Amino acid sequence: GENVEQHPSTLSVQEGDSAVIKCTYSDSASNYFPWYKQELGKGPQLIIDIRSNVGEKKDQRIAVTLNKTAKHFSLHITETQPEDSAVYFCAARWMDSSYKLIFGSGTRLLVRP
Amino acid sequence: NAGVTQTPKFQVLKTGQSMTLQCAQDMNHEYMSWYRQDPGMGLRLIHYSVGAGITDQGEVPNGYNVSRSTTEDFPLRLLSAAPSQTSVYFCASSETAPRTQYFGPGTRLLVL
Repeated sequence: GENVEQHPSTLSVQEGDSAVIKCTYSDSASNYFPWYKQELGKGPQLIIDIRSNVGEKKDQRIAVTLNKTAKHFSLHITETQPEDSAVYFCAARWMDSSYKLIFGSGTRLLVRP
Repeated sequence: NAGVTQTPKFQVLKTGQSMTLQCAQDMNHEYMSWYRQDPGMGLRLIHYSVGAGITDQGEVPNGYNVSRSTTEDFPLRLLSAAPSQTSVYFCASSETAPRTQYFGPGTRLLVL
């Protein structure tokens, strides 16, 4: 069935280090993969997304890579800062007749000053 | 623009009571959706709508009803609340299909 697995569930890094969060999906036809950041007490906010016709996309300190053959995609945050501390969610769009976006279970990132 | 607004922010219900969670957006978005967020389970899609008059079920639709009479509003109804429905509920909207979704601030629901 529809499934997106996300790892790790928690991640603690030192300020300035890099952080990597990985997701795998089950629908080989999926073609859209967004990443959301959720700060405490707020709704999730889109930070970057990638479509299946590209393998990597960058936006300043964040980047997403996609491996369609292996059905996994990753979020990379470089030079982490304390304000990067949040919960991050990956998602994949299901390509059946519906219009569903299925989310991973989330990664709590803590950046230690 | 106010974006996506949700009311109430917090609600306590007794088992068996019914209520409606309100969601409105002022961006003229066609696609709207409801998610619930539970610890360790991420965001799970309850129902969604691709336009006024059109709704469909998501991953966890049981116990919830929706309607979409206008482009702006997408209320979520709990018919007979159960403790298992204790959660944080988020409404989201996007222009068409679920691409860049804008989330509301959430409604925290406690069912006793």
